[in-house]
Parts: sequence; C-alpha cells; structure tokens
Amino acid sequence: DAGVIQSPRHEVTEMGQEVTLRCKPISGHNSLFWYRQTMMRGLELLIYFNNNVPIDDSGMPEDRFSAKMPNASFSTLKIQPSEPRDSAVYFCASSLKGRYQPQHFGDGTRLSIL
Amino acid sequence: AQTVTQSQPEMSVQEAETVTLSCTYDTSESDYYLFWYKQPPSRQMILVIRQEAYKQQNATENRFSVNFQKAAKSFSLKISDSQLGDAAMYFCAYRSAEAGTASKLTFGTGTRLQVTL
Repeated sequence: DAGVIQSPRHEVTEMGQEVTLRCKPISGHNSLFWYRQTMMRGLELLIYFNNNVPIDDSGMPEDRFSAKMPNASFSTLKIQPSEPRDSAVYFCASSLKGRYQPQHFGDGTRLSIL
Repeated sequence: AQTVTQSQPEMSVQEAETVTLSCTYDTSESDYYLFWYKQPPSRQMILVIRQEAYKQQNATENRFSVNFQKAAKSFSLKISDSQLGDAAMYFCAYRSAEAGTASKLTFGTGTRLQVTL
C-alpha cells in the first residue's frame, strides 16, 4: 500500500518567494496533519483536517502560512512570502479518524529559504 | 498544556543488548494515548508502539515493549536484542483522548540511539 506521499522532497528558494508543499494522504484516511520540525522547536503541529475541513490551525505561525484540502486525496501548505526562519522539515501525516489511530507520516519536505 | 520530557538526548547500546529510553509527561487528564515514534536518518517518522492510558497492561510489539506507570506519568521504551537498524531518533508523544480538547500529538525532544557492534 502506498504511504503518505509528499512533494517536493527538497525545496531551496530565495526569501520572498511563494512556496507550496503538497501531500497525498493514505487512501481511506480522513484526518490529515501538517507538522514542522526544527532543531530549536522540535516537532510542532501546524494544522489538521478532519474530512477535508480544518479543525485546528492554532499552530500556524502567522498569516503567511495557509493550508487547504480541496478533496480527500490532496492537501497543500503554502508560505507566501517565505522567510529564512521558515527553513525546516515539513511533515504531512494522515490517519483514520479517532485519537487512538496512529498517524502515518510522509517522508517530509526539507525546505531551505535563502 | 501537556508537556513531554525525554531527559536522555543520546543513548548507546551494543548490538544484541537491551536498552531503555525514558519519557515522562505532565497532564491533568485521565484519558489519553501515548506513542513512541522512530525517526531514522531517512527522516521518515515510523510508529513503534502505542499505549492507551486506561489499559494497565503494557504494550508489546516484538522486540519493543513499554513500561507504563500512570501514577508516575512515565512511559519508557525497552528495546530488546538491539539491532543496527534500531539506530535512530526516538520520540515519545502524547495525545489527549478527551472530547473537546486539542487532538494534536505533543512530542518530546527525542533521544538519539546509537547501536554499536
């Protein structure tokens, strides 16, 4: 079975540019999560969706960040404009609904903003 | 807010030996779930084992087992017969089970495990 698929795997861009990260969750999963991992702050939840609806976006750092889930098989995380402090590894995870359900993570996108 | 503490930044174990990684957490909730995730150099986060707080029996998955002590708010991971492929960062995570609370996973800072020959 295909796992969570994220693209791109690596992204290097200059500050001020728009960055779009993509995620395809595991088929049949109805919860999707975006995390950010940095050395300073560890793993942090940015936003999560249930049945394509954003439930909790309190972790989104600021208005430059936005996330969408137009359908059950696709989500994007967009940063506009990007800044060097946004450099991090961004993970997407999906799970079946229910808090005991394990979250299955993608391979992450390593984002570097110059 | 819940916090998860992993007090061992690095641990080392010889191949075939047993190692225990520590995790403590702070919560006022009575119903929750605890997880251990492994992050090898490939970067992917892989679920190792999970525990429901209202189950007293410790979870076991092959060579991985936990020592869950609810009163002490401790959730340690034991790896038996360590293998080279066990070398990775290990993260302990907490998730509330109570309706109306945030559904996110709260992670500890991780323990880097080295496995030596």
